Amino acid sequence: QKEVEQNSGPLSVPEGAIASLNCTYSDRVSQSFFWYRQYSGKSPELIMSIYSNGDKEDGRFTAQLNKASQYVSLLIRDSQPSDSATYLCAVSLTGGGNKLTFGTGTQLKVEL
Amino acid sequence: DGGITQSPKYLFRKEGQNVTLSCEQNLNHDAMYWYRQDPGQGLRLIYYSQIVNDFQKGDIAEGYSVSREKKESFPLTVTSAQKNPTAFYLCASSPRGALYEQYFGPGTRLTVT
Repeated sequence: QKEVEQNSGPLSVPEGAIASLNCTYSDRVSQSFFWYRQYSGKSPELIMSIYSNGDKEDGRFTAQLNKASQYVSLLIRDSQPSDSATYLCAVSLTGGGNKLTFGTGTQLKVEL
Repeated sequence: DGGITQSPKYLFRKEGQNVTLSCEQNLNHDAMYWYRQDPGQGLRLIYYSQIVNDFQKGDIAEGYSVSREKKESFPLTVTSAQKNPTAFYLCASSPRGALYEQYFGPGTRLTVT
């Protein structure tokens, strides 16, 4: 089992819809969770961080964390074509030192 | 402007040659990291450093070397011992107490033929 798992996609949603991206992780006591957006050929950009159970909202983005079920998700409301990118989930795993473990990413396509 | 710079953006080398990738940050971040990314794969950690003059191996350190002589700089050398060096190399940094939050530079795309 991979330590951080994401569906590779592509996930296709129509413009204006809600895009839901999911990530599961193996370590029950992980503390820090991040979502990065990566456009093709570019470096990852941090868009959300979440540390406690529940929802965290920032503009059109909402991160949801459920530590008991070991998953973190990212919702993008009113999806725009400019949201088309690969979204990487990153988790700080216990015993991993001061570092993050990344999933392989989910490709999102927002269609006109 | 504060940020992380990596140079060059594209780098071409012949097999058997060592090559050094530059990473500089003026964010006053304590920790710095090197990752490689291959097509369709996630980021894999090569080396990281939490303070000057100290660094640790990541998951795929074989064939790579680093130094951390200054807080602002964390160069990565890809040696001839690295079997598959062609990849997209990403440098990141993280401030102290940031609960692992990392910020990335623009990356260097290395092609070895």
